[in-house]
Amino acid sequence: DAKTTQPTSMDCAEGRAANLPCNHSTISGNEYVYWYRQIHSQGPQYIIHGLKNNETNEMASLIITEDRKSSTLILPHATLRDTAVYYCIARGGADGLTFGKGTHLIIQP
Amino acid sequence: DAGVTQSPTHLIKTRGQQVTLRCSPKSGHDTVSWYQQALGQGPQFIFQYYEEEERQRGNFPDRFSGHQFPNYSSELNVNALLLGDSALYLCASSPAREGGETQYFGPGTRLLVL
Repeated sequence: DAKTTQPTSMDCAEGRAANLPCNHSTISGNEYVYWYRQIHSQGPQYIIHGLKNNETNEMASLIITEDRKSSTLILPHATLRDTAVYYCIARGGADGLTFGKGTHLIIQP
Repeated sequence: DAGVTQSPTHLIKTRGQQVTLRCSPKSGHDTVSWYQQALGQGPQFIFQYYEEEERQRGNFPDRFSGHQFPNYSSELNVNALLLGDSALYLCASSPAREGGETQYFGPGTRLLVL
């Protein structure tokens, strides 16, 4: 799986959009971009994934650049409950996930 | 529709002992993966089971072994426990279809080795 790079931490004001970047410059054509988040001491929660088109679901939007070398996860109206560690993972096939250190997102009241 | 369940939620063992952790996958899923998460780190992949066989393994010693049952539930066994085995152990399930299927995680079992 391709290596991903994320900022260590980010702050966002409650009610604003939180934009979390991820670089995956060595991603191969068959690798999807997955996003998970982990709230303290809980199991990781699946958020969204995509291959090359932008994706949206009830939780978030995923914007993937045309060259697929980077992506952005957007939480449109952040709440305090969105405070968590967010992991961006590039993954091909059905193999085990390779987690990095993720981005610690702190939503400020 | 129940999600992934794990038992027990917490466990305390001493060095040298053996431990068995259990996982029931989400309904309709037949593939189970296990992860270890040390404090302050991201989860690390241990192994994956499909059709009662270990399909893929991460960089973990043979002290870590597993089993998958015909109903797709799974066990993780760790022998000769070390202090460094203290961690949150996570189970994830997914359907075995082509194309990088999404894994859904359980709440984890927190193991403390004294």
